[in-house]
Amino acid sequence: QSVLTQPPSASGTPGQRVTISCSGSSSNIGSNFVNWYQQLPGTAPKLLLSSNSPRPSGVPDRFSDSKSGTSASLAISGLQSEDEADYYCAAWDDSLNGWVFGGGTKLTVL
Amino acid sequence: EVQLVQSGAEAKKPGESLKISCKGSALSFIPYWVAWVRQMPGKGLEWMGIIYPGDSETRYSPSFQGQVTISADKSISTAYLQWSSLKASDTAIYYCARGGYSGNVRGAFDMWGQGTMVTVSS
Repeated sequence: QSVLTQPPSASGTPGQRVTISCSGSSSNIGSNFVNWYQQLPGTAPKLLLSSNSPRPSGVPDRFSDSKSGTSASLAISGLQSEDEADYYCAAWDDSLNGWVFGGGTKLTVL
Repeated sequence: EVQLVQSGAEAKKPGESLKISCKGSALSFIPYWVAWVRQMPGKGLEWMGIIYPGDSETRYSPSFQGQVTISADKSISTAYLQWSSLKASDTAIYYCARGGYSGNVRGAFDMWGQGTMVTVSS
């Protein structure tokens, strides 16, 4: 069971806006930056967004993130078929003194 | 091109030892933390630990402490993940990833290796 909680799946049709939630606690999301990673099928993960650094090169501004308290969200607007992937949130955890990941959300573009 | 290159796939038997590697270029590797992340078949990402090659300071996830050893050789810009006695449950893809710069252990993983598939089966 992951320290950060994400819904196992999400879906949308092309052009729609979808959001993926990530719930944590005061020791991780509540006190540290949240990072989002995208893993396309059969490939290594890549950094999608980090609230602590500039948008990585090549990441469209259709992707955005937000954080409130101990929860964070990733939003994808203008959904495209190429967005079909697994998405993971991650944050440093002060209690564990290490990184924690969410369980991942599989996004399907219908 | 700046990248992390991992060693190739491994097929091992239970009880055997293994050391896999992750090599970067000097400028993109030594001043940064390097993490190891496990992905079991069909499962999510799990952080195993992280090392600063500059002085080999290492931190482990409680789930992996004592199960693996993370090390680095800064002279060849390479990090390692090592097992002394593999189990079938170690079957997974292992990724290395570049983390924060210098003292920033909380930096995002902005560069990933291609992954090393480790299969442990009798």
